Amino acid sequence: DIVMTQSPDSLAVSLGETATINCTSSQGVLFSSNKKNYLAWYQQRPGQPPKLLIYWASTRGSGVPDRFSGSGSGAHFTLTVSSLQAEDVAVYYCQQYYSNPRTFGQGTKLEIK
Amino acid sequence: QVQLVQSGAEVKRPGSSVKVSCKASGGTLRSYGISWVRQAPGRGLEWMGGIIPLFGTVTYAQKFQGRVTITAVESASTVYMELSSLGSEDTAIYYCARQDCGGDCHYAYWGQGTLVTVSS
Repeated sequence: DIVMTQSPDSLAVSLGETATINCTSSQGVLFSSNKKNYLAWYQQRPGQPPKLLIYWASTRGSGVPDRFSGSGSGAHFTLTVSSLQAEDVAVYYCQQYYSNPRTFGQGTKLEIK
Repeated sequence: QVQLVQSGAEVKRPGSSVKVSCKASGGTLRSYGISWVRQAPGRGLEWMGGIIPLFGTVTYAQKFQGRVTITAVESASTVYMELSSLGSEDTAIYYCARQDCGGDCHYAYWGQGTLVTVSS
């Protein structure tokens, strides 16, 4: 199984500042034939189901503000939340869909400082 | 607009089974994989398995092999997840999630979740 590890487990950022969350996979999730990274990011607000933010490591989901961006390749990925707003308080998860079983990171809790 | 609507909350006794449904509207069920992901109280997301109705293929996480059954009724645009031999550790919110493509890809649509409580 591919193990997904996120860091940090939690972070507090001031409104208007930038939050950075890292995700490392135990093996690469870059598919050589199409050069795509099989990596997604989800946001889960309290009491809500997860919401897709980023897929193929760097493509924003439908309706996702451009304050959210994803980067990285191979086994190391980053989610950046710029100009932090109060509504961004949530837990963020990375997930690989390169192989079964699909696996998620343990989650990173983002709070306002 | 694709929507996934799940069945309501359940309370089950230890050792029993639960069957949760996930009805899709606004899109095709056949071509896209639907998976089940659970979340224990205060914990992270755990993938249980998935089905691609078009091909009839089902894959389960090893952890749940032998205890979980995922099926689809295409005519009703509904996918089911049945979990047997329930224990207290199975108390969780169970989500269905639909892929955004026919192959391996991300989950663009999620159900609202179904709380399953296992208690004697």
